[in-house]
Amino acid sequence: DQQVKQNSPSLSVQEGRISILNCDYTNSMFDYFLWYKKYPAEGPTFLISISSIKDKNEDGRFTVFLNKSAKHLSLHIVPSQPGDSAVYFCAASAVLGDMRFGAGTRLTVKP
Amino acid sequence: DAGVTQSPTHLIKTRGQQVTLRCSPKSGHDTVSWYQQALGQGPQFIFQYYEEEERQRGNFPDRFSGHQFPNYSSELNVNALLLGDSALYLCASTWTADYGYTFGSGTRLTVV
Repeated sequence: DQQVKQNSPSLSVQEGRISILNCDYTNSMFDYFLWYKKYPAEGPTFLISISSIKDKNEDGRFTVFLNKSAKHLSLHIVPSQPGDSAVYFCAASAVLGDMRFGAGTRLTVKP
Repeated sequence: DAGVTQSPTHLIKTRGQQVTLRCSPKSGHDTVSWYQQALGQGPQFIFQYYEEEERQRGNFPDRFSGHQFPNYSSELNVNALLLGDSALYLCASTWTADYGYTFGSGTRLTVV
């Protein structure tokens, strides 16, 4: 069951521009959402998260937006840098539950 | 402070064999989850261990089993290996009341 979906397998943006990565979920029990970044040969690294009681969370260049009514969240990276090039996974979790991951979006930031 | 450590990093097994993967959680973490990541896909939840018991399980057959030890370390066992079990196996740990998971670098299992 694909409870978390990332419909764009890849995204390419120019350095300095905004990167927007999208994620949709189906399970209304999810109450915590996370973005992970993954480089080849490494495990996923936590990037930013948001609780369902919020609709926005910022951390430096990274902002996550949550639209609960649409069951949609997005990750904005501004400005994008070449070092941001990686695979980004969206994950969702219910209280004390496991995380469900999307299939990932490969972001390429071109110099 | 070491993060999550997994061993071995790479493994090649023959179809039908059994394999054991190991995970040491991050210091202070008591909950361990295992994920399977096939090529081109996101991590798929296998199961979660807390207080030496399986607390939750994903949609994986009984060939996949696990164990958690009193020091919170964990093992993932897979019996009767199939070619389709070839994947990156990730271990993630957290403290039970926290949502944030820390991942290890994974074990790359190849079944031939």
